[in-house]
Amino acid sequence: DAGVIQSPRHEVTEMGQEVTLRCKPISGHDYLFWYRQTMMRGLELLIYFNNNVPIDDSGMPEDRFSAKMPNASFSTLKIQPSEPRDSAVYFCASSSPDRGLNEQFFGPGTRLTVL
Amino acid sequence: KQEVTQIPAALSVPEGENLVLNCSFTDSAIYNLQWFRQDPGKGLTSLLLIQSSQREQTSGRLNASLDKSSGRSTLYIAASQPGDSATYLCAVRGGADGLTFGKGTHLIIQP
Repeated sequence: DAGVIQSPRHEVTEMGQEVTLRCKPISGHDYLFWYRQTMMRGLELLIYFNNNVPIDDSGMPEDRFSAKMPNASFSTLKIQPSEPRDSAVYFCASSSPDRGLNEQFFGPGTRLTVL
Repeated sequence: KQEVTQIPAALSVPEGENLVLNCSFTDSAIYNLQWFRQDPGKGLTSLLLIQSSQREQTSGRLNASLDKSSGRSTLYIAASQPGDSATYLCAVRGGADGLTFGKGTHLIIQP
């Protein structure tokens, strides 16, 4: 398996623009997580899905952030409008409860810079 | 709210030494604990996962222990090598399914 795939790897945009980050989880995994990493706050959970349904979005910082999972192999995280303080690395992760492990596997991340 | 603390924040040791990284968490009601490695500009690589019912897990030169009642975990690295240089992150899974991360230990192994 190719692992968790994220695109783009790098995104530079100007304040006020819409940004869409994409994620393809590992095939067969039914949990998908979005995390954000900053120097100040470290890694934080934004939202996660189970079987394509959002379960907990309490980590989403503002209404400017939204996430969708239209099918088992694709998810998006959208920021509209973007602000400089949204600059961070955004990670997607997936897991499966098979065998009770629930080990999370992370993608390479998208480094977002908002000017 | 779960809080995860990692000590030390940074560590530099000569090659060949054995070393211990520490992780503590405030809520002992966890489902599992996972240790990750992160190289600069890269994603997270899962090293070891310990279920709440387990005491330790081993993979090669790495050994992770878990004392759930005291809210502590350690990652032991034997015979350290320059290639072990990275940031090591500890994360716990509580009642919800997402992970709560520590800030990490930045490790440098001097050749």
